[in-house]
Amino acid sequence: AQTVTQSQPEMSVQEAETVTLSCTYDTSESNYYLFWYKQPPSRQMILVIRQEAYKQQNATENRFSVNFQKAAKSFSLKISDSQLGDTAMYFCAFSRGGYNKLIFGAGTRLAVHP
Amino acid sequence: ETGVTQSPTHLIKTRGQQVTLRCSSQSGHNTVSWYQQALGQGPQFIFQYYREEENGRGNFPPRFSGLQFPNYSSELNVNALELDDSALYLCASSFHSRTDTQYFGPGTRLTVL
Repeated sequence: AQTVTQSQPEMSVQEAETVTLSCTYDTSESNYYLFWYKQPPSRQMILVIRQEAYKQQNATENRFSVNFQKAAKSFSLKISDSQLGDTAMYFCAFSRGGYNKLIFGAGTRLAVHP
Repeated sequence: ETGVTQSPTHLIKTRGQQVTLRCSSQSGHNTVSWYQQALGQGPQFIFQYYREEENGRGNFPPRFSGLQFPNYSSELNVNALELDDSALYLCASSFHSRTDTQYFGPGTRLTVL
């Protein structure tokens, strides 16, 4: 069975600084996808970034980038130039290729302070 | 392009009652997945519907059931409500493929008293 672990229940960062959120996962699959979703107080789950396991290059979306270490089964999210609007719960998620079901971690609550 | 919508926003029921939650998928999407998110936890997969049939189910009892309609919208039905069913219920839509990403609606907050 696949599992996703987020070991940081809460993080805080000053506006304009950089923060890294950690995620590890366990799977015996070779074909899978990893995601970071953001859930602000409005509750809607918003896709931040996606990584295909077969791609060696780390995904990047504007201020958001990942450090994907396949051998270590690690998938961390780096947020650069943090903004107040980045305040939210961040969830790491896994899906096995060919089966579109997401397995989520417990989440990391990120607070960005002015 | 219309995003995923869910109704109602909030719902209060008493133990033993039945509830129906609704979801309209994003335009161009034909697959709907339902998740339960208890307070302070990550979402848990309930089931997925594709072409009006259940296409995978998580560890939830049979009193959780669903439907998908020809326009790809979906319903989640929960019978014999229990206090532990209190949660945020999230619907996500996608185009059924090996690589597609799921996009979520705003959720329905269900409170069981």
